[in-house]
Amino acid sequence: NAGVTQTPKFRILKIGQSMTLQCTQDMNHNYMYWYRQDPGMGLKLIYYSVGAGITDKGEVPNGYNVSRSTTEDFPLRLELAAPSQTSVYFCASSQDGPTYGYTFGSGTRLTVV
Amino acid sequence: ELKVEQNPLFLSMQEGKNYTIYCNYSTTSDRLYWYRQDPGKSLESLFVLLSNGAVKQEGRLMASLDTKARLSTLHITAAVHDLSATYFCAVANTGTASKLTFGTGTRLQVTL
Repeated sequence: NAGVTQTPKFRILKIGQSMTLQCTQDMNHNYMYWYRQDPGMGLKLIYYSVGAGITDKGEVPNGYNVSRSTTEDFPLRLELAAPSQTSVYFCASSQDGPTYGYTFGSGTRLTVV
Repeated sequence: ELKVEQNPLFLSMQEGKNYTIYCNYSTTSDRLYWYRQDPGKSLESLFVLLSNGAVKQEGRLMASLDTKARLSTLHITAAVHDLSATYFCAVANTGTASKLTFGTGTRLQVTL
């Protein structure tokens, strides 16, 4: 049982480049989330989705886009990368209710130079 | 807007000692979660607290929730080096989607 899988694990981007961070879950969870974690800080919500075809902005959505065409996949797109997007990105999923909290992926460490 | 504050932000303690980490939040919620993060790793779920007065224990860690005071505590008993990590509390926002707002974390260092 893989849980939440994120790729790549590490990436260095040049300013202005674009990339997609992949996130896949095999638990049939409807709810999926993207967070970023800056050094020594907590996690901030970028985007979330409550099901296929439904997405919404979180606390820090600027510079990012998402799509949710299937229950399993929730990719995060960075357009025109900026140094301020240097961070660790975590994807998470949850069941339809509070009992279990989130299952997190292993994270993607992104550096923009 | 829900805000979550943890204190202390950094805690250095000796093995065998007891200590408590505090998590305060600003608006009504009855769902609170504690996570552990080792350096360079992902977040691991520790406790799920779903009602006022809830108490959960696992080994040397015990978490409690007081929804009236908007306060959760994570108590460490007789700390050991293996507990060294960063601990986050997260509070569920009201409404749909089970969105969590995270505290800034408490970095715990247990020394011999």
